[in-house]
Amino acid sequence: DGGITQSPKYLFRKEGQNVTLSCEQNLNHDAMYWYRQDPGQGLRLIYYSQIVNDFQKGDIAEGYSVSREKKESFPLTVTSAQKNPTAFYLCASSIRGTGNTIYFGEGSWLTVV
Amino acid sequence: GESVGLHLPTLSVQEGDNSIINCAYSNSASDYFIWYKQESGKGPQFIIDIRSNMDKRQGQRVTVLLNKTVKHLSLQIAATQPGDSAVYFCAERTGYSTLTFGKGTMLLVSP
Repeated sequence: DGGITQSPKYLFRKEGQNVTLSCEQNLNHDAMYWYRQDPGQGLRLIYYSQIVNDFQKGDIAEGYSVSREKKESFPLTVTSAQKNPTAFYLCASSIRGTGNTIYFGEGSWLTVV
Repeated sequence: GESVGLHLPTLSVQEGDNSIINCAYSNSASDYFIWYKQESGKGPQFIIDIRSNMDKRQGQRVTVLLNKTVKHLSLQIAATQPGDSAVYFCAERTGYSTLTFGKGTMLLVSP
């Protein structure tokens, strides 16, 4: 089935540790996105990528890094510089261009222990 | 931390009623709007979209209305079912920019 796969579903991070969240899509979408969601809040954009080997910072990029080496994959690294990383992380993708629907994965829960 | 619905506006309805969820958007230049449904612990699911050159669009049991004069978007769900219980988000898009999301409304459907 076509879709967006995020892994792991649940992840625990120790203080000072970097962790990487995986996102893979087989929809042949050009654009991919990472959002963060906190309880009672709207989705906030971390990073996005319109094409391979290119990505842009979103509204809350500090403490995060991404790469886009393949069209299908857009991993997000939460670095130790992110002081409040506990949240629900959502990966999404869309056909490149205006007015195109963004589709989401099932999300990953990250908790600092 | 499974819930993303804490402190959200909540709409409570009885099964079989029609539900109307409202959203005020911010940018008069936005030309594309989407409604998403998010169940607890899951990613948002696309429900319906509408472009700014339209006032109304209908899907299966859902209708989206767009009032550009007052920058208002609404989602109507006919014959609401317990399975419709979720958080509903509106999102707006301006040109090539990314989507901007509202904080959402929690819909609770009682049997």
